[in-house]
Amino acid sequence: DVKVTQSSRYLVKRTGEKVFLECVQDMDHENMFWYRQDPGLGLRLIYFSYDVKMKEKGDIPEGYSVSREKKERFSLILESASTNQTSMYLCASSQPPGDQPQHFGDGTRLSIL
Amino acid sequence: AQSVTQLGSHVSVSEGALVLLRCNYSSSVPPYLFWYVQYPNQGLQLLLKYTTGATLVKGINGFEAEFKKSETSFHLTKPSAHMSDAAEYFCAVSPYYGNNRLAFGKGNQVVVIP
Repeated sequence: DVKVTQSSRYLVKRTGEKVFLECVQDMDHENMFWYRQDPGLGLRLIYFSYDVKMKEKGDIPEGYSVSREKKERFSLILESASTNQTSMYLCASSQPPGDQPQHFGDGTRLSIL
Repeated sequence: AQSVTQLGSHVSVSEGALVLLRCNYSSSVPPYLFWYVQYPNQGLQLLLKYTTGATLVKGINGFEAEFKKSETSFHLTKPSAHMSDAAEYFCAVSPYYGNNRLAFGKGNQVVVIP
């Protein structure tokens, strides 16, 4: 079974802090994704990576950056957290091609005070 | 560009009644289609997917979906709702080429009434 592990289930940070969200997958998948989930808006893609050190912007990259130094680990970084970044963050991984499903972690509920 | 429309953010269904969740997509190329389910405080789990071949796809927990190209639809059904079906359901589309980036619908929150 594919396992996608997010480092924290709940996180509380203060405005202006630099925040790191970590995600690790154990299935040697090429692709990794970061989404945020907000009520009524569904899942919106922030960034994705299709190889080590490769990244592409998703639909809402502003205020975020990512890092993928190893194949199994994909980090989401909030450079200077703001209250409008309070949300549920979901990480996923998959293998190409497009008929392969994404496998999701349990999410990190982040609150910015 | 791809997009997915799911109407009705909240859907109420009586226990034992038919569950029907509608999904319409737009895609400039033949798509791959997915339904995911999210239980409270969990990530998304794959219910079923359509790639090629048979247009009626069976998934886990008694769910199935039918791909209708002429209607650009991929509606999800279950003949008889169970209390354990209370969850949020997302339809998603991916192009048949590329790095399987998904476009998600906004989701349907299903409430099962005893």
